[in-house]
Amino acid sequence: KAGVTQTPRYLIKTRGQQVTLSCSPISGHRSVSWYQQTPGQGLQFLFEYFSETQRNKGNFPGRFSGRQFSNSRSEMNVSTLELGDSALYLCASSLEVLGAYEQYFGPGTRLTVT
Amino acid sequence: SQQGEEDPQALSIQEGENATMNCSYKTSINNLQWYRQNSGRGLVHLILIRSNEREKHSGRLRVTLDTSKKSSSLLITASRAADTASYFCATDVPNDYKLSFGAGTTVTVRA
Repeated sequence: KAGVTQTPRYLIKTRGQQVTLSCSPISGHRSVSWYQQTPGQGLQFLFEYFSETQRNKGNFPGRFSGRQFSNSRSEMNVSTLELGDSALYLCASSLEVLGAYEQYFGPGTRLTVT
Repeated sequence: SQQGEEDPQALSIQEGENATMNCSYKTSINNLQWYRQNSGRGLVHLILIRSNEREKHSGRLRVTLDTSKKSSSLLITASRAADTASYFCATDVPNDYKLSFGAGTTVTVRA
């Protein structure tokens, strides 16, 4: 089975621009989550989607948004980029097994804001 | 804020030795998972232990969970150079649909 794929892998943007990141989950997985990883804050939860519905959202400003499509693929968007948005953005897909969600991560998108 | 904290922050061992790292968390959990990350890449799922389990094994990995102390440990036996990575614990609570990660333990295995 193919793993979680994320595109693009690397991205350089300028302050004030917006960016869209894409994630394709493992086939059959209906839950997709997004995380931001920075050296200072570590791994922080952004949001989680299941069957196109956002079930939880982390403590991030409204500039961060996401959505999930009917085929479970997901996108996240960051508008009005700031230098502090430079990070590794990780997507994870999961399948519930007896109340437990094992999350499988993609390789991440490295975003640099200049 | 992060739910878990790993200890130690960094660990350097000789190939063939065992590596032990600990994770403490603050609130009651549903499950605890351990992940490995190599040099800024994606996270690799290692093992999941449920709150009603005390110990789990997977190959050279052994995980324990003590819910009374709100802590878990990950033991890697007979370490190899390829085990050099950062290791993270992550917890979840019922119906929250998110993982809360610790800051991680960086393990260096010397040849």
